[in-house]
Parts: sequence; C-alpha cells; structure tokens
Amino acid sequence: SYELTQPPSVSVSPGQTATITCSGDNLGNKYASWYQQKPGQSPVVVIYEDIRRPSGIPERFSGSNSGNTATLAISGTQAMDEADYYCQAWDSNTWVFGGGTKLTVL
Amino acid sequence: QVQLVQSGSELKKPGASVKVSCKTSGYIFTTFALNWVRQAPGQGLEWMGWINTNTGNPTYAQGFTGRFVFSLDTSVSTAYLQISSLKAEDTAVYYCARAVGAIPRWYFDVWGPGTLVSVSS
Repeated sequence: SYELTQPPSVSVSPGQTATITCSGDNLGNKYASWYQQKPGQSPVVVIYEDIRRPSGIPERFSGSNSGNTATLAISGTQAMDEADYYCQAWDSNTWVFGGGTKLTVL
Repeated sequence: QVQLVQSGSELKKPGASVKVSCKTSGYIFTTFALNWVRQAPGQGLEWMGWINTNTGNPTYAQGFTGRFVFSLDTSVSTAYLQISSLKAEDTAVYYCARAVGAIPRWYFDVWGPGTLVSVSS
C-alpha cells in the first residue's frame, strides 16, 4: 500500500521559514493536500492541489510538489502556526495521510 | 455556511455497538462525498473510507471492513458510522469530512468537530 513519510517534528524561530516535507513514491504525479490540526481541534486544510490556498488561509502558507516530495512552507512563522501538520494524497482509490509533523515555534 | 455537526461522546463496553452521526447543512447533501477519519489518542489521522452520498455506495479502507458500516439518511442530510463488536483499540476520535473537487484533485474542505468513542470495561 502507498505510504507518505513526514518528519515527526520540525522547529522554527518566530519570523523564520518553516519547511515540512512529505515523501512518497512518485508523489509529484499525484495531488498533495496539507492539513493543520491544533490541539483539541479538527483538521483544517491549508493547501490543496499541491499549491492552492483556500480562502482565509494566510499567504505565508505555500506548497510545492515534485519528484517524490511535497513540501509545505510557512514564511514568517508565527506562534499561532504551532500545530500538527498532515499531508494527504489519493492513490489507487485510497486516501493516504502522512504520519504528521509537529511544528514547534521556539 | 457549510457545517458538519457530529453526535456527542460515547462510552461503551467491549463487545457493544455505537452509531455516530454527521448531520450536514448549508449545501446539497448528495453533491459531495463524505469521508470518515479516525484519530486514536495521541496518534495521527487514519482514513477509514467514504460514502457516495448520491448512490449510498460505501468504500472501506483496508482495516475497516467487517465491523464498520457507513450509511445515509438523505431525508435529514445525515451520514452515519456504525461500529460493532467494539474493542479497546477502537477508542478514538472519529471525524466526518466532506470531499470536494474532482478525483484525483479532491480534498477535504470541511470537517466535523469529531466524536470521541471510548471503549472500556
């Protein structure tokens, strides 16, 4: 079955750029989405179709997808961005989530 | 606005059954698929499957066949997740989530608040 691999944790200083990766076989030929989940809350989509940002999501969130890796970048990271982030892709009629990355803003 | 409202927390004994509801509003129910996602305590998101709200046809992910049943009541724009023969390892928060867009571009744009199902003797 298809697997998506994320680093368990990423740390970033306020104002810097946070980068979270998601690796999967030939992921660049699929569409990746990214979800933000804060403690006790439901996930919220921050990026879909690799690069698209839903209305209401700040411009500092951006995405890319090429080769075997999709990337979520958060520029000018703020304390409110501290959360768990999950990548997602559709493969062989199945949704697959990455294991999640805990973003810490130090 | 689009809303998914789920039923409240449940505490069940092993071997019992539970039925979680996901009531939708703010859009035409049969237009978008509904998915179910499990999140065990302290763990990540796990896709359980989805139901075609137009045909009622369910699709179950690997590991969620047999004891798990997705159903609909289109008259009240509600989807259901029933779990039978509950086990301690079924303890989790269960989310419903709407999928929008055309396959394979689709994604989950709205999520319910989640329903905590606790299984303990």
